[in-house]
Amino acid sequence: AQSVSQHNHHVILSEAASLELGCNYSYGGTVNLFWYVQYPGQHLQLLLKYFSGDPLVKGIKGFEAEFIKSKFSFNLRKPSVQWSDTAEYFCAVTAGYNTDKLIFGTGTRLQVFP
Amino acid sequence: EPEVTQTPSHQVTQMGQEVILRCVPISNHLYFYWYRQILGQKVEFLVSFYNNEISEKSEIFDDQFSVERPDGSNFTLKIRSTKLEDSAMYFCASSVRGGGQNIQYFGAGTRLSVL
Repeated sequence: AQSVSQHNHHVILSEAASLELGCNYSYGGTVNLFWYVQYPGQHLQLLLKYFSGDPLVKGIKGFEAEFIKSKFSFNLRKPSVQWSDTAEYFCAVTAGYNTDKLIFGTGTRLQVFP
Repeated sequence: EPEVTQTPSHQVTQMGQEVILRCVPISNHLYFYWYRQILGQKVEFLVSFYNNEISEKSEIFDDQFSVERPDGSNFTLKIRSTKLEDSAMYFCASSVRGGGQNIQYFGAGTRLSVL
């Protein structure tokens, strides 16, 4: 069965530090990859997605992610975090073209201190 | 920006009772979904719905669960006889189109507590 792993469960950073959150998936076929963010008390929002093409994708709020097919990874990065980035971050995949089912990782809680 | 809205934000019920969780998807969206997240666990897919039919469901979505679009705006999840293990956050989502390359927009969730 397909699965998604996020190895960082809780990350604590100071403002201006760089961020990288890991995401690995297990599926040998075509995947569509997503990062969602959930700010405290709010709904899940799409940060960025990868379907095809340039494996380096840019999203909202200065986030980017790189798809490395050989490593089954889709890590999220931001060069300089802000206090307002404090949130929970979820990596998710859909396997192939014919399924809507999003498979989520466990999420990473990011706390940024001023 | 259009949003998916879910009501109530928190529902408390007794074991064995029926509950209906309500969602208003984004108005021009045609595909609808329910997910749940048990405390400390992953967000899990329950069901997808299109054209008044279930298009895909997980093994979690057994006979105790049903979904309905009773009118042009609401999308509901019914749990017939709640169990303690149904306690979770339930998320509704909607999208313009289906398939693996669609973008699903999520509501803020309904926290269901079964006592």
